[in-house]
Amino acid sequence: GENVEQHPSTLSVQEGDSAVIKCTYSDSASNYFPWYKQELGKGPQLIIDIRSNVGEKKDQRIAVTLNKTAKHFSLHITETQPEDSAVYFCAARRDNYGQNFVFGPGTRLSVLP
Amino acid sequence: GAVVSQHPSWVICKSGTSVKIECRSLDFQATTMFWYRQFPKQSLMLMATSNEGSKATYEQGVEKDKFLINHASLTLSTLTVTSAHPEDSSFYICSATGQAKIGYGYTFGSGTRLTVV
Repeated sequence: GENVEQHPSTLSVQEGDSAVIKCTYSDSASNYFPWYKQELGKGPQLIIDIRSNVGEKKDQRIAVTLNKTAKHFSLHITETQPEDSAVYFCAARRDNYGQNFVFGPGTRLSVLP
Repeated sequence: GAVVSQHPSWVICKSGTSVKIECRSLDFQATTMFWYRQFPKQSLMLMATSNEGSKATYEQGVEKDKFLINHASLTLSTLTVTSAHPEDSSFYICSATGQAKIGYGYTFGSGTRLTVV
């Protein structure tokens, strides 16, 4: 089955700096990779996703890159703000109906003012 | 669109009692719902997958008689924690998807914090 690793487990950056979180997956059949942001006491919120036929996707300050050969994908947040502080989870799955996600262990991002 | 409502947001119950958590899809038909459990500072662990009108599929190690899942309609799934014990205290989260949303990130509910005293 799929196994997703995520690094680092914690990350502190100064406001305005960039943050990068990296994930690796094991199942070469996985082809859909979302990133979720979870604030304290709330459910995860989808912030960006990428499919295996695309190498990079950007949405304002957030970008995701995918290296299908190496089986790793990364989340990039530029110009970080205090409200970016949260736990971020990467996930992987086969893009078929009803398939479950396998989540990474999470990264706790702290943006220091 | 794609809103999932989960209730209650928190609940405290006594040991030995049962607690029901509801997960509703508000603007789409959720043919599949997933139930997760999350311990503090840990990732989401899938407990079970439920398809509308059929029995839930439980992950290995999850007691199906303790965590009863019902998905009787296309917009509602419930998780009942039976004979709750303090070790069942956790954050429970549902997510939902439907056939019309193939290829989309699943929508998560806001979670339910269960405390068993």
